[in-house]
Amino acid sequence: DGGITQSPKYLFRKEGQNVTLSCEQNLNHDAMYWYRQDPGQGLRLIYYSQIVNDFQKGDIAEGYSVSREKKESFPLTVTSAQKNPTAFYLCASSILRDGYTFGSGTRLTVV
Amino acid sequence: GENVEQHPSTLSVQEGDSAVIKCTYSDSASNYFPWYKQELGKGPQLIIDIRSNVGEKKDQRIAVTLNKTAKHFSLHITETQPEDSAVYFCAAMGGTYKYIFGTGTRLKVLA
Repeated sequence: DGGITQSPKYLFRKEGQNVTLSCEQNLNHDAMYWYRQDPGQGLRLIYYSQIVNDFQKGDIAEGYSVSREKKESFPLTVTSAQKNPTAFYLCASSILRDGYTFGSGTRLTVV
Repeated sequence: GENVEQHPSTLSVQEGDSAVIKCTYSDSASNYFPWYKQELGKGPQLIIDIRSNVGEKKDQRIAVTLNKTAKHFSLHITETQPEDSAVYFCAAMGGTYKYIFGTGTRLKVLA
């Protein structure tokens, strides 16, 4: 079955540490996205990529970095520069101008 | 800038009653309007969508209507059931291939 997989489901980060969230899809979608969701809040766009080796900043890119070396993969690194990283992170993919397929999310907590 | 307003933020209905969630968008170039359902701790799932050349679309108990002149679109759920309880997000997509999401509506169906 085709789908989009995020890992890990839960992640704990120490102060000053970089962590990387994985997102893999086998839907042959060109576009991939990262969103952040805070409790009781909507979805805020961090980064998006419409094609391999190209990506653009979203609305809240500061303190985050991404890469798109393969069509199937779009990892997100939360750097130590992100001062308030505790949130639920959602990855999505789509055919351009169509509906998104979301992953099941990664819950990141700073300890 | 581009914006999508969603109302109400919370909605409680009795089981079997109808629920209506409304969204208003600002970008007149928007031409694709999906609706997502998010259950607790999970990623959003696409439940229905509509494109700008259509005024209404129905899928069993859910329907979406679009008024392009007024820049409104609405989600209608009939014969609500407890499993319809979730957070619902509307979105609008224009020429940038990015969604602008609404802020979400928490629907509670009371048994």
